[in-house]
Amino acid sequence: GAVVSQHPSRVICKSGTSVKIECRSLDFQATTMFWYRQFPKQSLMLMATSNEGSKATYEQGVEKDKFLINHASLTLSTLTVTSAHPEDSSFYICSARWRPSGQIEVDNSPLHFGNGTRLTVT
Amino acid sequence: AQTVTQSQPEMSVQEAETVTLSCTYDTSENNYYLFWYKQPPSRQMILVIRQEAYKQQNATENRFSVNFQKAAKSFSLKISDSQLGDTAMYFCAFTLPWGTGKSTFGDGTTLTVKP
Repeated sequence: GAVVSQHPSRVICKSGTSVKIECRSLDFQATTMFWYRQFPKQSLMLMATSNEGSKATYEQGVEKDKFLINHASLTLSTLTVTSAHPEDSSFYICSARWRPSGQIEVDNSPLHFGNGTRLTVT
Repeated sequence: AQTVTQSQPEMSVQEAETVTLSCTYDTSENNYYLFWYKQPPSRQMILVIRQEAYKQQNATENRFSVNFQKAAKSFSLKISDSQLGDTAMYFCAFTLPWGTGKSTFGDGTTLTVKP
């Protein structure tokens, strides 16, 4: 089955530094990946849609200069939290949906999720 | 815009019993996909079951089944013979069959299966 790998699973960084999180689709090509933020016992908040070869689409209220997204290949999207602060501490999850090459419509394929990254900014 | 509502923040059930989690959604579209995902304490999101809106037959996956009521815009999840490993947060999700394929998630229901 489709597998999405997310790395690192945990990261602790100091305030003011930048952190990069990688999301890889291991056995399928993903032209689109999604990045979420999740607070304890809450739902997934979509931050942005990562598009291969083009700029990411950010949800309202998400700072694009704070959360840099790069989707450089069909199997890799990265989220960089720039100048991290303690309020950026959270659980970040990526996901992708398998879609046959050239298919425009979305089918009933489910989202495949990475294992998530626990970011702690001290 | 589509919305998904899960009205039960927390639920509990005794092991081996049956529990139903509710989900309602709002859309003006006729065709769409609905999903239930499970997030156990490990926080890995896992697909539980899916339903296509154009199918009248309710989806079933082993102990998991749905009651899909299109007119009422309701998509409840029934878990039969509950097991301790079913303890998790459950999310209902709605997806349109076009565009980026992003899903709209409900707020989730935390289910605890008690021994």
